[in-house]
Amino acid sequence: AQSVTQLDSHVSVSEGTPVLLRCNYSSSYSPSLFWYVQHPNKGLQLLLKYTSAATLVKGINGFEAEFKKSETSFHLTKPSAHMSDAAEYFCVVSGPLGGNTGKLIFGQGTTLQVKP
Amino acid sequence: DAMVIQNPRYQVTQFGKPVTLSCSQTLNHNVMYWYQQKSSQAPKLLFHYYDKDFNNEADTPDNFQSRRPNTSFCFLDIRSPGLGDAAMYLCATSRTHPGEQFFGPGTRLTVL
Repeated sequence: AQSVTQLDSHVSVSEGTPVLLRCNYSSSYSPSLFWYVQHPNKGLQLLLKYTSAATLVKGINGFEAEFKKSETSFHLTKPSAHMSDAAEYFCVVSGPLGGNTGKLIFGQGTTLQVKP
Repeated sequence: DAMVIQNPRYQVTQFGKPVTLSCSQTLNHNVMYWYQQKSSQAPKLLFHYYDKDFNNEADTPDNFQSRRPNTSFCFLDIRSPGLGDAAMYLCATSRTHPGEQFFGPGTRLTVL
């Protein structure tokens, strides 16, 4: 069975400081991992994805994440937060092709607050 | 730009009055999904279509139905909305299943 845990329900940072959103996963297969962002009353936008290529994944808007198999983690980072980064972030796991139903398993989300 | 479009963005209905939400895509993807997202929660998959094949999640209430008349369009029908069905409804598409999913902006449903 697959599962994903976002370790912080709420993260608050000051503008210009680093962002760290933590995610741990559990999977019997080699997982695909995603980070999605959701601004208020909007749909989900893909920030980045890991699909068994490079372990350090670069995404849009300066975000990146590192897949660490030994720690079963896929934490999202950004060197310098911007006010527009304030949103809800979801860590998502999915099985490989043919590996499972293909369903996306969502974490519970982390609300990122950015203070001026 | 290729995209996933949802109409309307905001829908108000009355308790028990049937409502239909619409999703269309210009990505020509094979798979279309419907999710329900309640306030401060993660999206919950209701069902998906792989081409014309309908796949219902085991815990999706019978009150929720879906139609996919062609590749581009998919509809979510709520036969008798209850107050607990008030939520954001998200449509998503992917080229394959499983695969990276592309989400629409959502329809916020209010039930009075």
